Amino acid sequence: QQQVKQSPQSLIVQKGGISIINCAYENTAFDYFPWYQQFPGKGPALLIAIRPDVSEKKEGRFTISFNKSAKQFSLHIMDSQPGDSATYFCAASKGSARQLTFGSGTQLTVLP
Amino acid sequence: EAQVTQNPRYLITVTGKKLTVTCSQNMNHEYMSWYRQDPGLGLRQIYYSMNVEVTDKGDVPEGYKVSRKEKRNFPLILESPSPNQTSLYFCASSLLDRFTEAFFGQGTRLTVV
Repeated sequence: QQQVKQSPQSLIVQKGGISIINCAYENTAFDYFPWYQQFPGKGPALLIAIRPDVSEKKEGRFTISFNKSAKQFSLHIMDSQPGDSATYFCAASKGSARQLTFGSGTQLTVLP
Repeated sequence: EAQVTQNPRYLITVTGKKLTVTCSQNMNHEYMSWYRQDPGLGLRQIYYSMNVEVTDKGDVPEGYKVSRKEKRNFPLILESPSPNQTSLYFCASSLLDRFTEAFFGQGTRLTVV
């Protein structure tokens, strides 16, 4: 049973376009929502994260939007570049349990 | 350089032959964990440790063992590997109070035939 559902599984975007990846969760005990980026042959690396008391967080071209009532959050990559081509994982954590639960991943390809 | 080092990077073994994947970090992190990555399933936590001699099961612990005798090392042991343990394995470490900011190793591609 996937506690964090991620979509789409794969995404192809033209250079300069906007990439949008969506995640949904059921467990209202989750209290932190990070996104990880993984390049081929590498381990995932933390990209950006948000707490549920904030509706949006922006870092450069990367923005997380968070909808607490809908239990959904999404990653937006503005002005997508070929160098952004990677697999993106959303995740959620329950601080008291000190565990990260990951989504299934989205393979993003940005065409030049 | 701050890093999490896993060895080996690639391993092909036969069913039932015990193996150990090593993980070492040089950041003095309290929290260490193991994940397996499978297509369509994302990363699933196998075991984690919040400090020396403290280990807990993650979501998919069956068939795996871990130990944390030293702060920097967190080996993953497969006592009797089976083909369904063929996967890409990642070790990660972080500060205990910032466990969501995990530093991952390069991964170990394990094939069990």
